[in-house]
Amino acid sequence: SQKIEQNSEALNIQEGKTATLTCNYTNYSPAYLQWYRQDPGRGPVFLLLIRENEKEKRKERLKVTFDTTLKQSLFHITASQPADSATYLCALGENSGYSTLTFGKGTMLLVSP
Amino acid sequence: GAVVSQHPSRVICKSGTSVKIECRSLDFQATTMFWYRQFPKKSLMLMATSNEGSKATYEQGVEKDKFLINHASLTLSTLTVTSAHPEDSSFYICSAPGQGIAFFGQGTRLTVV
Repeated sequence: SQKIEQNSEALNIQEGKTATLTCNYTNYSPAYLQWYRQDPGRGPVFLLLIRENEKEKRKERLKVTFDTTLKQSLFHITASQPADSATYLCALGENSGYSTLTFGKGTMLLVSP
Repeated sequence: GAVVSQHPSRVICKSGTSVKIECRSLDFQATTMFWYRQFPKKSLMLMATSNEGSKATYEQGVEKDKFLINHASLTLSTLTVTSAHPEDSSFYICSAPGQGIAFFGQGTRLTVV
């Protein structure tokens, strides 16, 4: 069966460190993968999209990698700040055009000052 | 970026009553919108795909007569929870695709008492 796995345990790190979150999937052939941020009681907000033929994408302090052989994406936040504390969701899209996204459960990140 | 507005953000209703949730794309047109439900610390569960001018497509296990969806215009989709029961209490979120990504509304916290 299809699965998207994100670490269910919260990730606690200290301010200034790099946070690395993992998204693994099985039985999918995603055309692209996206990362979203969700704050408590709010809808998710889009952060980054990476396509199957891209290995890495960067945006300011964010970096996403996509390894279709390992079936894994890593999401990095460098120089983390307490304001980065939130739940981060990965989502897979299986068609080249926009299609229904399938979301992982998300990983909560807590950055301590 | 594109903006999706969802209203109300919170609603408390009595068992047996109906509640309508609106989802508007403010600065773009959306022929398709998606409705999700999210339980605490759980992933987004797709309930249905709302199609402008035609019937919504419901995911398996979602009662179409209980969760009525109307997508009457290119900027508005509504979800009506009919004859609400306490087990319908949840966080409901809509999204609309734009430029290949999902723009989410702020979410609606429904509490049925």
